[in-house]
Amino acid sequence: AQSVTQPDIHITVSEGASLELRCNYSYGATPYLFWYVQSPGQGLQLLLKYFSGDTLVQGIKGFEAEFKRSQSSFNLRKPSVHWSDAAEYFCAVGGDSSYKLIFGSGTRLLVRP
Amino acid sequence: NAGVTQTPKFQVLKTGQSMTLQCAQDMNHNSMYWYRQDPGMGLRLIYYSASEGTTDKGEVPNGYNVSRLNKREFSLRLESAAPSQTSVYFCASSEVGGGSPDTQYFGPGTRLTVL
Repeated sequence: AQSVTQPDIHITVSEGASLELRCNYSYGATPYLFWYVQSPGQGLQLLLKYFSGDTLVQGIKGFEAEFKRSQSSFNLRKPSVHWSDAAEYFCAVGGDSSYKLIFGSGTRLLVRP
Repeated sequence: NAGVTQTPKFQVLKTGQSMTLQCAQDMNHNSMYWYRQDPGMGLRLIYYSASEGTTDKGEVPNGYNVSRLNKREFSLRLESAAPSQTSVYFCASSEVGGGSPDTQYFGPGTRLTVL
């Protein structure tokens, strides 16, 4: 069965510092991987996705993520965090002839001034 | 384009009351989804509709029913609300009708409290 683990419930970083949010998945074949962001009181917005090809994918707002098959990971990174990046981030996995997505439990990012 | 819209934004029910959450999308997408979001549990799929005229159960369907009224609209009904259904409900849609997942576009959510 597919599953997604986001081991960090909360992360706090200083504005301007780099960021890495972890995501590990369990899936037998090549997964379809997504990162979504949710600002307070809002719906989810797609940051980036990986289907195939280059394992380093670029997304919106300066985010990127790297697919590492050997580690079953799809970590999200940003070189310099802005105060507006404070939000909750969700990793999701899909595939296996199904268009359903399985979401992780989310990581809440706090940004210190 | 408005994208995915949901009504109402907020609702308070008493135990045993019924209500319908409405969702509409104007992107001509084939597939639509209903999720619930609870603290520390991410999003869990309640029901989905791969295409107009079809609906299927997701991970947590008990206590809910759905109707895919047409290609645009997908409603979620609580027949007899329970406090355990207090949650934030999100509707989403995607273009792909089957075979592989595609980007899902989310509505702003409905915050439901059942007393």
